[in-house]
Amino acid sequence: AQRVTQPEKLLSVFKGAPVELKCNYSYSGSPELFWYVQYSRQRLQLLLRHISRESIKGFTADLNKGETSFHLKKPFAQEEDSAMYYCALSVGGSNYKLTFGKGTLLTVNP
Amino acid sequence: GAVVSQHPSWVICKSGTSVKIECRSLDFQATTMFWYRQFPKQSLMLMATSNEGSKATYEQGVEKDKFLINHASLTLSTLTVTSAHPEDSSFYICSARYSPGEQFFGPGTRLTVL
Repeated sequence: AQRVTQPEKLLSVFKGAPVELKCNYSYSGSPELFWYVQYSRQRLQLLLRHISRESIKGFTADLNKGETSFHLKKPFAQEEDSAMYYCALSVGGSNYKLTFGKGTLLTVNP
Repeated sequence: GAVVSQHPSWVICKSGTSVKIECRSLDFQATTMFWYRQFPKQSLMLMATSNEGSKATYEQGVEKDKFLINHASLTLSTLTVTSAHPEDSSFYICSARYSPGEQFFGPGTRLTVL
């Protein structure tokens, strides 16, 4: 079965510092990877997906199949980036259900 | 973006009663909706996949007779927690599949069973 691992429960950085949220997955085939974000008192929303290869709010994530990783990066963190970040994986079929990691709470300090 | 609503946003009930939670896709049709459960400070745990017009597919360990799911239309899925007990108290979140792999999430329903 597929699995998503986010090794850091908490990550704290200062404004303007680079940030990297780690995500590793296990799946023998070719999954689709996503990052979802949940700001305080808001619902979960899609941040980005690997197939679109785009940058959203300054965040990027590259799928590394060799390392089975999909780390989320931003060169200069902003206070408004403080949120809960979830890495998720979809293997197609099964109605494209998502398997979520446990999440990383990012705090960007002023 | 697409909007998914849930009703009610919170509910308190007595042990032994049943509670129904509605999930609606407001501006798009969703053949597939998903129900999740989230415990405090934990990740989302998929409970079941709801397909319009057919039986829901439950994840391992989820009691289908306890968590009844109905997906009667392309914009509405309901989750009924039957004979609720305090251990069923949780945050229940639904999502609707908008495109392959992309889901839009509802705001969640806080269930407290006394």
